[in-house]
Amino acid sequence: EVQLVESGGGLVQPGGSLRLSCAASGFTFSSYWMHWVRQAPGQGLVWVSRITDDGTNTNYADSVKGRFTISRDNAKNTLSLQMNSLRAEDTAVYYCARGGSFGYHFDSWGQGTLVTVSS
Amino acid sequence: SYELTQPLSVSVALGQTARITCGGNNIGGRNVHWYQQKPGQAPLLVIYRDSNRPSGIPERFSGSNSGNTATLTISRAQAGDEADYYCQVWDNSAYVFGTGTKVTVL
Repeated sequence: EVQLVESGGGLVQPGGSLRLSCAASGFTFSSYWMHWVRQAPGQGLVWVSRITDDGTNTNYADSVKGRFTISRDNAKNTLSLQMNSLRAEDTAVYYCARGGSFGYHFDSWGQGTLVTVSS
Repeated sequence: SYELTQPLSVSVALGQTARITCGGNNIGGRNVHWYQQKPGQAPLLVIYRDSNRPSGIPERFSGSNSGNTATLTISRAQAGDEADYYCQVWDNSAYVFGTGTKVTVL
């Protein structure tokens, strides 16, 4: 069974930093692209970032480019998101999601971790 | 950037058919994926590449895509189908979600 478990969320002041992690199990982690998707309170889903299976290529939404960094450790089956220069509008539940094969979709999701940016 | 438009809400009587639309410029030329999200839960993939169901998704869920509109159809709607539904496409190295539709089963 595919399992994705996020951690690292919490309350942080504007301008601060936070690092999210996602522990993967139940599948060959190194064979899949991985993503972060977020959802602000009461709002819709927004894609944040993607990393290829070998970690050599990354993409970011314009809203986080230059502030967030996605990375992975295939030896530890772990996906990470380093978030710097956080803003109030970054407040959201952050989901780790597995990329589906060939279709550029998300076939498995974690339960999410809440990030609150507030003074 | 590419935009996907969904109705804010759709109501359906128990046992009847609900159709949720997703509008986008020439969306028929793209692969469309659909997610179900119940309150307090993570999204769940229900349709991928226009009309394919992942393992475990009931046959009552189906999808189509043509022209400027993609459609998710829920047949024989059940109370457990009440949820928010989002369409999604890939566009120019970014992943775009629709605005979301709240489905209410009456």
